[in-house]
Amino acid sequence: EDKVVQSPLSLVVHEGDTVTLNCSYEVTNFRSLLWYKQEKKAPTFLFMLTSSGIEKKSGRLSSILDKKELFSILNITATQTGDSAVYLCAVVLRDGGSQGNLIFGKGTKLSVKP
Amino acid sequence: DTGVSQDPRHKITKRGQNVTFRCDPISEHNRLYWYRQTLGQGPEFLTYFQNEAQLEKSRLLSDRFSAERPKGSFSTLEIQRTEQGDSAMYLCASNVRGINEKLFFGSGTQLSVL
Repeated sequence: EDKVVQSPLSLVVHEGDTVTLNCSYEVTNFRSLLWYKQEKKAPTFLFMLTSSGIEKKSGRLSSILDKKELFSILNITATQTGDSAVYLCAVVLRDGGSQGNLIFGKGTKLSVKP
Repeated sequence: DTGVSQDPRHKITKRGQNVTFRCDPISEHNRLYWYRQTLGQGPEFLTYFQNEAQLEKSRLLSDRFSAERPKGSFSTLEIQRTEQGDSAMYLCASNVRGINEKLFFGSGTQLSVL
């Protein structure tokens, strides 16, 4: 059965710390991997990764994919209280996959203390 | 503003009542997804449509749940004979399959069953 596993499930850090969130997957017909940030409402898109080893970067956030070892990491440097959120990882499957071709992990809840 | 709108934002109902939620996706998006999310969990797949066709429905979904997308535009999700366990955030998302896998989410409908 296809699955996406995120770790840790929750994390508490202080402002200025650097964090690494993990997403591992076991799926058939991998197409791409998505990262989302969810505060109180709708998840908002962060990154889409399709190729191994190419880092995507946006400000203090960056992400990379390893298709050989089947995982992705999301890094946040110099964390701020506004980074507090649940970070979701989702794997997009090629046609023929289940769950609408998209499988979510349970998310990592990040809390940044002042 | 993600462009996906959901109505209502909040719904409080008594156990046993029927409820209906509406989702208006981004206009050119041919795929529409419904998810359910409870506190501390990632989005749980319910069903998805490509245009007006419902392509998949979660095996975990009770037959009290039904969804439609009659003209391939907006969609409705109905829950009959609500139970307290139905209390959750119901998220709608849309995308264009084959062009951009990125899902755009609405702000969700928060259902509370008393």
